[in-house]
Amino acid sequence: AQKVTQAQTEISVVEKEDVTLDCVYETRDTTYYLFWYKQPPSGELVFLIRRNSFDEQNEISGRYSWNFQKSTSSFNFTITASQVVDSAVYFCALSNLNRDDKIIFGKGTRLHILP
Amino acid sequence: EPEVTQTPSHQVTQMGQEVILRCVPISNHLYFYWYRQILGQKVEFLVSFYNNEISEKSEIFDDQFSVERPDGSNFTLKIRSTKLEDSAMYFCASSPGQGKGYGYTFGSGTRLTVV
Repeated sequence: AQKVTQAQTEISVVEKEDVTLDCVYETRDTTYYLFWYKQPPSGELVFLIRRNSFDEQNEISGRYSWNFQKSTSSFNFTITASQVVDSAVYFCALSNLNRDDKIIFGKGTRLHILP
Repeated sequence: EPEVTQTPSHQVTQMGQEVILRCVPISNHLYFYWYRQILGQKVEFLVSFYNNEISEKSEIFDDQFSVERPDGSNFTLKIRSTKLEDSAMYFCASSPGQGKGYGYTFGSGTRLTVV
């Protein structure tokens, strides 16, 4: 069975602080894909990143970075120098997209960036 | 950039009424999906659709739900007799069917309120 756990339900940090959102996943598949989505108050799902299971390189995109550790089944997301506009719910997700499979979402972490 | 379009953005319906949520997937995509998000909860897979038939459905997708691709461009989710607990955000998604997760795209959602 596939499962994604985001243990942090809600986080509040002061603007300009760094914050890390944790994600732990379970799957029996050897090939899988991991995602992060942002859901702002307006409700849409904003795609942030897709990572396949063969690529353990960390990725940085501006203030965002992701740390994929296959050994611990984790795919953590760090926002550096947080801004108020980063306030949103962030979902980690998992899929075996070689079968064009469904995406399994975690419960999300609600991030509050305080001015 | 190609988009998945969902209409309406908001729908209010009375309990027991039938409702149809509409989606226009990206034109060259082959796989279509519906997901549901009850307010404050995680995004949950409902159903996937390929080659004019359901390829997978979740436990949530019971007999009151149906999907259809009536005219080669639209993809619809019908709820036959709505219940209060059907109130949720419904997301449509489509993918090109080449695996690897490229192009998997969500619409901006339809917020359904059952009163």
